[in-house]
Amino acid sequence: GDSVTQMEGPVTLSEEAFLTINCTYTATGYPSLFWYVQYPGEGLQLLLKATKADDKGSNKGFEATYRKETTSFHLEKGSVQVSDSAVYFCALSPYNNNDMRFGAGTRLTVKP
Amino acid sequence: DTAVSQTPKYLVTQMGNDKSIKCEQNLGHDTMYWYKQDSKKFLKIMFSYNNKELIINETVPNRFSPKSPDKAHLNLHINSLELGDSAVYFCASSGLLGYTFGSGTRLTVV
Repeated sequence: GDSVTQMEGPVTLSEEAFLTINCTYTATGYPSLFWYVQYPGEGLQLLLKATKADDKGSNKGFEATYRKETTSFHLEKGSVQVSDSAVYFCALSPYNNNDMRFGAGTRLTVKP
Repeated sequence: DTAVSQTPKYLVTQMGNDKSIKCEQNLGHDTMYWYKQDSKKFLKIMFSYNNKELIINETVPNRFSPKSPDKAHLNLHINSLELGDSAVYFCASSGLLGYTFGSGTRLTVV
C-alpha cells in the first residue's frame, strides 16, 4: 500500500545550520505530499504541502519539492532556529482519497 | 476558537477501568479520525468516520469503540484499560485543505 519513509532521528543541529530531513514515498497514482510539525505537548500542525510533481511547498522558511522521478519530498531549511525544535512528520494522501499515511517522525533539536 | 478540541487533556487511570475521550470539531468537516501516538512518536490510525459512518477500522482491540453522534463529534470509549494503552491519542478532522489535529489526550494506565 501507499506509504512514506523518512530518515530516522534524532537530528541535533546548532542554530543557523542547514536542515535536511529526507522523505521518500511509495504510491500508486499521484498522491499529495505533506510535512507536519509537532511542537512539544501539542498536536500536529500542517507545515507545508505539494499536490503534484515539481510543486514546491514552503512555509516559515521551510521548503520541500515534490520529486516524482526520485519519489521524494525532502524537507529543507537554510538556517534553523531554536524554536524549530520539534518532531517533523512526512505524510501522503493517496490520489482521490482523504486518508493520510504518516512517516515515523523525525525529532529535531536545535541548540543555541 | 479551537478548531478540533478533545477532552480531557490528561487522563490517569487504573488497569481494568473504562474511560472515554471526547472530540469535537467546528470546521464543518465530514471526516474525523482517531490516532494513537506511542512513546516513540509513531502515529497509527485507529478509526475514521465519514459523516457519522465508520470507514476505517484498523487492527485495534475491540475494547476500543468509537461513537459518532453527529458529524462534528467523534468520541472514543475504551473498556478494560491495559498498561499498553498508555499513549497520546489524537483526534483529527479532514477537509479540502487537509487535516486539523486536536492537541491530544495523554492517557496513562497504572
